[in-house]
Amino acid sequence: QQQVKQSPQSLIVQKGGIPIINCAYENTAFDYFPWYQQFPGKGPALLIAIRPDVSEKKEGRFTISFNKSAKQFSLHIMDSQPGDSATYFCAASIPNAGGTSYGKLTFGQGTILTVHP
Amino acid sequence: DAGVIQSPRHEVTEMGQEVTLRCKPISGHNSLFWYRQTMMRGLELLIYFNNNVPIDDSGMPEDRFSAKMPNASFSTLKIQPSEPRDSAVYFCASRTSGGATGELFFGEGSRLTVL
Repeated sequence: QQQVKQSPQSLIVQKGGIPIINCAYENTAFDYFPWYQQFPGKGPALLIAIRPDVSEKKEGRFTISFNKSAKQFSLHIMDSQPGDSATYFCAASIPNAGGTSYGKLTFGQGTILTVHP
Repeated sequence: DAGVIQSPRHEVTEMGQEVTLRCKPISGHNSLFWYRQTMMRGLELLIYFNNNVPIDDSGMPEDRFSAKMPNASFSTLKIQPSEPRDSAVYFCASRTSGGATGELFFGEGSRLTVL
């Protein structure tokens, strides 16, 4: 119930390509779906996030598509660059008791993205 | 502003020794999380605190692991006795639980190697 399943485990694209990373969940109580980016030797950092009341969110070259009925969401990176090479994690959280604040954040397994020049 | 500060950055120890990892969250953040990252299991939540109180410790592997948050600016994760399978990168992260976003700010991690 608390799992977030992420695929693929690794992805290689050429510069300018559009890598797509997918995640699926079971727990319908999840109400916040962020994506984190991690470079080697660093901690993960928030990239973009979405709530289930919208189907798409775009920030720069990064877009989240959200399908509530299918319980799936995905990250698209437009015009990918070698500097986008990193590990990407999807995540999901349920609100704290009372529903007024953010709670426990569960991560997917991660996708290692390599963008070749 | 300083981010989440973790120490030590690297620790190499022998099986059976006690290990203590330390974390200073971002000032003003009232939620603190400890995660463990391995190639096999990814990012696993070990425990999280709200307002210095442990809320969920269901991810703590076993009694060898313990975590404390004596005040809003400091937390420790202790492993006693350590075992080779505890080798991993341990991350501390903090956020404001009632903020406009749920952004979690991570430290740079403590890489633990147990021989």
